[in-house]
Amino acid sequence: SQQGEEDPQALSIQEGENATMNCSYKTSINNLQWYRQNSGRGLVHLILIRSNEREKHSGRLRVTLDTSKKSSSLLITASRAADTASYFCAIYKGGGSQGNLIFGKGTKLSVKP
Amino acid sequence: DAGITQSPRYKITETGRQVTLMCHQTWSHSYMFWYRQDLGHGLRLIYYSAAADITDKGEVPDGYVVSRSKTENFPLTLESATRSQTSVYFCASSNWTHQPQHFGDGTRLSIL
Repeated sequence: SQQGEEDPQALSIQEGENATMNCSYKTSINNLQWYRQNSGRGLVHLILIRSNEREKHSGRLRVTLDTSKKSSSLLITASRAADTASYFCAIYKGGGSQGNLIFGKGTKLSVKP
Repeated sequence: DAGITQSPRYKITETGRQVTLMCHQTWSHSYMFWYRQDLGHGLRLIYYSAAADITDKGEVPDGYVVSRSKTENFPLTLESATRSQTSVYFCASSNWTHQPQHFGDGTRLSIL
């Protein structure tokens, strides 16, 4: 499979703790994106990290990318109950208009108050 | 309000019937996409469109038809629905394939 594979499939933590989700892939990529999906809603884009970048931050979110290991991680610091959602990584291999995002199956995060 | 809207949100139909799912975006994005989301499979691309009158197959196109006569609309038609097409369908749009996609809230389709 060319898609990203998230790990773990499910994660349960207490409010205030940090949550780390990982994504592994098998092909070379142009960029990798993380999305969040709340129950019953569509996906919402969180962060895009390009293949020549190693780390990006957005608020309480930190994404790292290791192209040598073909892996990425999403860290949510000081989690809140509102962070409860499924998180997906998506890889873009490149190839101009013929390339499309390939989504993983997601990590289901539960943050308990 | 700017955004991407899908209709209907819920639909129940019978096998063999034709059903059309609607998608409308107000950003004038060039690219539009249709995905289906099933347990155990994540999101799978059905069809996508690079511009009006330009469409192409994704990973799972069989049994589906799309059209795009206007930039803002991208309807998905199941010509003869089957139970295996029971799923949640998401429409998305973006300026380019590598850029972030904006998703609608989905259509939950049940085929009896």
